[in-house]
Amino acid sequence: TQLLEQSPQFLSIQEGENLTVYCNSSSVFSSLQWYRQEPGEGPVLLVTVVTGGEVKKLKRLTFQFGDARKDSSLHITAAQPGDTGLYLCAGTSPTGGTSYGKLTFGQGTILTVHP
Amino acid sequence: NAGVMQNPRHLVRRRGQEARLRCSPMKGHSHVYWYRQLPEEGLKFMVYLQKENIIDESGMPKERFSAEFPKEGPSILRIQQVVRGDSAAYFCASSPRRGTGSDEQFFGPGTRLTVL
Repeated sequence: TQLLEQSPQFLSIQEGENLTVYCNSSSVFSSLQWYRQEPGEGPVLLVTVVTGGEVKKLKRLTFQFGDARKDSSLHITAAQPGDTGLYLCAGTSPTGGTSYGKLTFGQGTILTVHP
Repeated sequence: NAGVMQNPRHLVRRRGQEARLRCSPMKGHSHVYWYRQLPEEGLKFMVYLQKENIIDESGMPKERFSAEFPKEGPSILRIQQVVRGDSAAYFCASSPRRGTGSDEQFFGPGTRLTVL
């Protein structure tokens, strides 16, 4: 069974601070996706990283996929109150077998950015 | 461009009743995944379906739960004889083709099931 360990579980910071959320596994993933989920809503896809070592930027958000494709990080620069929410990482299993395509989710990071 | 649609958004059932959750994938998407989010837990995979076929049901409880994705109409997740432990948010996601590592899944708003 593949597992994704996400940390920290909770993060409370002031507006303007930087933060990093980590997602680690002992297993290799074909790709890793980051989602943001608001209360009462479904996860919204932020980014997909596929290649080991890949870095993607989305405005103030920077996503990185580890060289071995076992870990990923999300870095937010100059956090704003609008960034508050639940952030989830999810990995897609490598090809082959019946696990093909399904997502394995981390436990999530609840981010609160105070004005 | 409508996204993934799920209904109902909220469903209340008494123990022993049946719950039917519906999911209409995004236009052009023929692959549907169901996930369950229990209180204080992350999302857990339940089942992966294509039109008229169940591809992977390794995350489905062996009893009382079933899923289908008919040729016409939405995908249905059916829970028979619900128990309080079934109370959770159930999410459907759709993908344009079989997950090849880079294929993205787009989630619906979820159905919140409460079992009294």
